[in-house]
Amino acid sequence: GAVVSQHPSRVICKSGTSVKIECRSLDFQATTMFWYRQFPKQSLMLMATSNEGSKATYEQGVEKDKFLINHASLTLSTLTVTSAHPEDSSFYICSAPGGETNEKLFFGSGTQLSVL
Amino acid sequence: GENVEQHPSTLSVQEGDSAVIKCTYSDSASNYFPWYKQELGKRPQLIIDIRSNVGEKKDQRIAVTLNKTAKHFSLHITETQPEDSAVYFCAAHFTGTYKYIFGTGTRLKVLA
Repeated sequence: GAVVSQHPSRVICKSGTSVKIECRSLDFQATTMFWYRQFPKQSLMLMATSNEGSKATYEQGVEKDKFLINHASLTLSTLTVTSAHPEDSSFYICSAPGGETNEKLFFGSGTQLSVL
Repeated sequence: GENVEQHPSTLSVQEGDSAVIKCTYSDSASNYFPWYKQELGKRPQLIIDIRSNVGEKKDQRIAVTLNKTAKHFSLHITETQPEDSAVYFCAAHFTGTYKYIFGTGTRLKVLA
């Protein structure tokens, strides 16, 4: 149980375009999902907390107009990187708390974004 | 603010030896502390976790200890094997904001 699916796994796009990343909880409901960003050989940096039916909460320094988050249902959260620039190239990974006590954090498989 | 520090950043051990990774957290109200193993290009996998009402937890070769007073928790891997080589992350669940904040990671290399 507690499977989180993330798509696409890899995307290459041109500067200025927008990219949408989907994160789905397959066998449980997730009122909250977390979006992290990971640069090579670095840690998981929390970007924002996605809340079903309400606005996302962004971490300090993360532009909410650039990284649009939508959590329209209990099983789906999306992250859209708008007007992508090469410096947005990174590994983006979503996660959702689940399990018996709803504490264990389960991760999607991640999306490697490369902006040319 | 919410912060988790992790040491060491890299660790090399001989196969069969033990490895210890240490973390400290900033918020005394944190109540849940998971450890993740991440292989290159893959998602982090939960390997063990501990709640604040427990001082130690063990699962075969892996154990975690928690010192609430000092706000420290540690991962212990015994009888290390080459397949244990990966990056390990600690994390703390901050109850006030509901966030999970991760440590900076430890790159473990087990030498055969």
